[in-house]
Amino acid sequence: NAGVTQTPKFQVLKTGQSMTLQCAQDMNHEYMSWYRQDPGMGLRLIHYSVGAGITDQGEVPNGYNVSRSTTEDFPLRLLSAAPSQTSVYFCASTLTGYGMNTEAFFGQGTRLTVV
Amino acid sequence: AQKITQTQPGMFVQEKEAVTLDCTYDTSDQSYGLFWYKQPSSGEMIFLIYQGSYDEQNATEGRYSLNFQKARKSANLVISASQLGDSAMYFCAMREKGAAGNKLTFGGGTRVLVKP
Repeated sequence: NAGVTQTPKFQVLKTGQSMTLQCAQDMNHEYMSWYRQDPGMGLRLIHYSVGAGITDQGEVPNGYNVSRSTTEDFPLRLLSAAPSQTSVYFCASTLTGYGMNTEAFFGQGTRLTVV
Repeated sequence: AQKITQTQPGMFVQEKEAVTLDCTYDTSDQSYGLFWYKQPSSGEMIFLIYQGSYDEQNATEGRYSLNFQKARKSANLVISASQLGDSAMYFCAMREKGAAGNKLTFGGGTRVLVKP
């Protein structure tokens, strides 16, 4: 009964380094998304995917890449980390096709610090 | 303009009392959904309650109820009989129909501290 699994939970990067945040869900959800959470700003959408092979940009996509080769996995790549990317990152998945009331299930979050 | 506005950055509430968290939203869609999530200090996001734009009755889930005023575009969360475990950040979010499908837009959050 894993739900949405995010790794790592904590990460410190140096400016300019790259890394991948992993996200996997075992609920066969079509829709997956990545958010970043910054104080006072709630959660902002970075990228999302409506199914395997389909991705699109959200509100704050710059500096991030995603891919969706399988239904289960939706990794987020930081290409060249910057201090402005210091944040808490959440992956979420949602079952689609069942109306507006389907809740999003969130991973535990990744606290990323870029120094 | 902000799609979701939570005007209370933080509030104190006495244990066993009720507390209302404000949320106003902006949309031109007729069909939309409103959600409340709780984020305790441990960091996870916990779904609390949902209100659909066509729902005629206010949603309730245990001690949580949603005061939905469609004409005012507000969806306030009411927590009755507050408990110490209710201390957390609370986020209001909206889902609209559209190309982004299940995209959720979040407000800035309200931090609640329950005092014994």
